[in-house]
Amino acid sequence: DIQMTQSPASLSASLGETVTIECLASEDIYSNLAWYQQKPGKSPQLLIYDASSLQDGVPSRFSGSESGTQYSLEINSLQSEDAATYFCQQHHDYPYTFGAGTKLELK
Amino acid sequence: QVQLKESGPGLVQPSQTLSLTCTVSGFSLTSYHVHWVRQPPGKGLEWMGVMWSDGDTSYNSALKSRLSISRDTSKSQVFLKMSSLQTEDTATYYCARDHWVYYGLLDYWGQGVMVTVSS
Repeated sequence: DIQMTQSPASLSASLGETVTIECLASEDIYSNLAWYQQKPGKSPQLLIYDASSLQDGVPSRFSGSESGTQYSLEINSLQSEDAATYFCQQHHDYPYTFGAGTKLELK
Repeated sequence: QVQLKESGPGLVQPSQTLSLTCTVSGFSLTSYHVHWVRQPPGKGLEWMGVMWSDGDTSYNSALKSRLSISRDTSKSQVFLKMSSLQTEDTATYYCARDHWVYYGLLDYWGQGVMVTVSS
């Protein structure tokens, strides 16, 4: 199985700041990487696909990038509504696997 | 609009079989694939399996011996059955639609159904 190592497990940031979350794939996943946002008691929502493509309706302060097998989610100009848990997911090969999640708290 | 909704029992006894239904609207099961994903309380997400639009299925090998996914296209429903449940199967179970271009990319999710395995 492809392992997705996500970091950090949690972070705290202030409104207006920029944060970065990373996922390291255990092998090449050819940009088949998605990022999801999950708020408490809600289902995950797709933010980014194909490593860097923004899903319709997602604010442009969210962006994704890649370098080899390392994938990053950047959130600029943090808003209060960005407090959530973020997961990466590889959909290159079975079983599709997720990172352990990053809980983002707003100070 | 696209909607998925899971339904099923909230409580299942250990060793019993879990049966869940995902009812979809706004798209056809013969055009889109539907996945099942679960999430234990306070933990991460685990992909369970998929009903492909052609009626074929694929499963997570870790669950394959206990898992079965089927569908009724006339009712727009996808079914999950998992046998020999244990306490570690306590989780919120989601069904999710596959993106029509990128296999395995989940663009719409149901609200989830919480299942507790306990006697």
